[in-house]
Amino acid sequence: DQQVKQNSPSLSVQEGRISILNCDYTNSMFDYFLWYKKYPAEGPTFLISISSIKDKNEDGRFTVFLNKSAKHLSLHIVPSQPGDSAVYFCAASRGGEYGNKLVFGAGTILRVKS
Amino acid sequence: DGGITQSPKYLFRKEGQNVTLSCEQNLNHDAMYWYRQDPGQGLRLIYYSQIVNDFQKGDIAEGYSVSREKKESFPLTVTSAQKNPTAFYLCASSIGQGRYEQYFGPGTRLTVT
Repeated sequence: DQQVKQNSPSLSVQEGRISILNCDYTNSMFDYFLWYKKYPAEGPTFLISISSIKDKNEDGRFTVFLNKSAKHLSLHIVPSQPGDSAVYFCAASRGGEYGNKLVFGAGTILRVKS
Repeated sequence: DGGITQSPKYLFRKEGQNVTLSCEQNLNHDAMYWYRQDPGQGLRLIYYSQIVNDFQKGDIAEGYSVSREKKESFPLTVTSAQKNPTAFYLCASSIGQGRYEQYFGPGTRLTVT
């Protein structure tokens, strides 16, 4: 049972345009969400997170939006740069006693073309 | 420089042998984790530890064992009972204390033939 789903295996975007990566979840108990970026043969790097009490969090070129009623979150990258080409994972946590456990989606490969 | 180190980067073993993957952190984090990543899949949790001398099974613990004798170290042993051990293994740590962000090491690629 996949509780966190990234339905787009890949996304291709022109440099300078917006990249939108999507993530859906099924467990309504999730209350904290994170995005990670991963290059091949390296560990994931934490990008940005959002608590369920918010609907938006911004950090430089990266913005995460959360729609709790739709159980959907998205990561916007503006403007996209060639160095953003990587695999992006969303992850979710239930918090509380489960706070240490993250459930990851399968990832979306982003290619930014110059 | 604070961080998480995993060694070695690449590891080759024969089928039937146990192998131990190293993970060390100097971030003073309470919690540590082991994940495996297979092609086209997300990260799956093998084991995690919230405090020294304590650890819990994750979603795919069968065929693996861990220890947490020191705060800085969380080695993972892949035993011969693990049916598909070839994978990319990632170690992570987090502050704990209500903070959810996990920080990852560079990973170890294990190939068993």
